[in-house]
Amino acid sequence: GEDVEQSLFLSVREGDSSVINCTYTDSSSTYLYWYKQEPGAGLQLLTYIFSNMDMKQDQRLTVLLNKKDKHLSLRIADTQTGDSAIYFCAEIVRGGSQGNLIFGKGTKLSVKP
Amino acid sequence: SAVISQKPSRDICQRGTSLTIQCQVDSQVTMMFWYRQQPGQSLTLIATANQGSEATYESGFVIDKFPISRPNLTFSTLTVSNMSPEDSSIYLCSVPIPGQFPYGYTFGSGTRLTVV
Repeated sequence: GEDVEQSLFLSVREGDSSVINCTYTDSSSTYLYWYKQEPGAGLQLLTYIFSNMDMKQDQRLTVLLNKKDKHLSLRIADTQTGDSAIYFCAEIVRGGSQGNLIFGKGTKLSVKP
Repeated sequence: SAVISQKPSRDICQRGTSLTIQCQVDSQVTMMFWYRQQPGQSLTLIATANQGSEATYESGFVIDKFPISRPNLTFSTLTVSNMSPEDSSIYLCSVPIPGQFPYGYTFGSGTRLTVV
């Protein structure tokens, strides 16, 4: 079945690194995504990773993919108060690149000054 | 990337009434997706809307409750019919980002619906 799991809360201090974890079940997923939702706003695509990659780095963001364990993580370096938001892990199912997204429940990141 | 204009951004409605949510995209897209985000929950796909054909609904969602229109490649509406307090949610539309490989998906800013 299709299921994406995330821990619900993470609290870090400003300047520390944040690591948000996600597990998924659909081994046929081709792309995995991280979205950010700030309070009262829609979803913003942060980054994605193709399933044949182990790691992707984009400025302060590092995505790690362990396909064997179906584990995805998002590391935010030098976390800032503006990073406080809910982070959703998502995978594509059905029809590859034109399929729909299955989301985790989201991890609420709180950054303390 | 595609820009989606979604409206209304929020509404408070009486039970038993209906609300139509609109999404306008600034480029032509084949598929549009409608999601529901219940309070404190993740996003759940309601239906996929293709231009020129009936929308495809996910398990637990029916056309009578959530009729969808897709008159052209840049516009879609979702109606929440005969509303009850359980329909209080954020509703979002989403489209694949045209021309981007691999596909990312962009979302509207959402419609926050409260049914009283």
